[in-house]
Amino acid sequence: DQQVKQNSPSLSVQEGRISILNCDYTNSMFDYFLWYKKYPAEGPTFLISISSIKDKNEDGRFTVFLNKSAKHLSLHIVPSQPGDSAVYFCAASERTSGSRLTFGEGTQLTVNP
Amino acid sequence: NAGVTQTPKFRILKIGQSMTLQCTQDMNHNYMYWYRQDPGMGLKLIYYSVGAGITDKGEVPNGYNVSRSTTEDFPLRLELAAPSQTSVYFCASSGGSGGYNEQFFGPGTRLTVL
Repeated sequence: DQQVKQNSPSLSVQEGRISILNCDYTNSMFDYFLWYKKYPAEGPTFLISISSIKDKNEDGRFTVFLNKSAKHLSLHIVPSQPGDSAVYFCAASERTSGSRLTFGEGTQLTVNP
Repeated sequence: NAGVTQTPKFRILKIGQSMTLQCTQDMNHNYMYWYRQDPGMGLKLIYYSVGAGITDKGEVPNGYNVSRSTTEDFPLRLELAAPSQTSVYFCASSGGSGGYNEQFFGPGTRLTVL
């Protein structure tokens, strides 16, 4: 039972354009969502998060949008840079589970110069 | 601050062998986690710990054991290695204490069981 799904295994965009990565979840108890970025041969690093009481959170070039009714979140990167090329994981948590995270499968983003 | 460190970086085991994957964090975090990542898949939680002396199973605990005798260390033990345990293993830590805290990950251990 995959509670967090990233349906696009890969995404390719041109430098300077917008990258939009999508994530869907099924567990209505999830109330905190995070995006992690992973380069090859490294561990994931935290990128941005959003609480379920918000519908948008912005940090520089990165914005996460949450649509609770659709159980959908997205990560927007504007403008995209070649250094953004990495695997992006969506993760979700519910308050009763403490800091336990459930991860999606990941999306490989490639930003072409 | 070294953050979360893991050893070894790579290891090849034969079926039935055992080994311990080491994980240490220097951030005084209460919560620690072990994940595995198979190709094309997300991270699956194996075991986690909310503090020294306390451990609990995650999604995929079979074939593994853990202990947490200190705040800093959280070793993962494979007793009888099987090909299905070929994976990349990540250790992570977070401040925990009931709130939402980002998890900090180590660089991973790539394990192959032949």
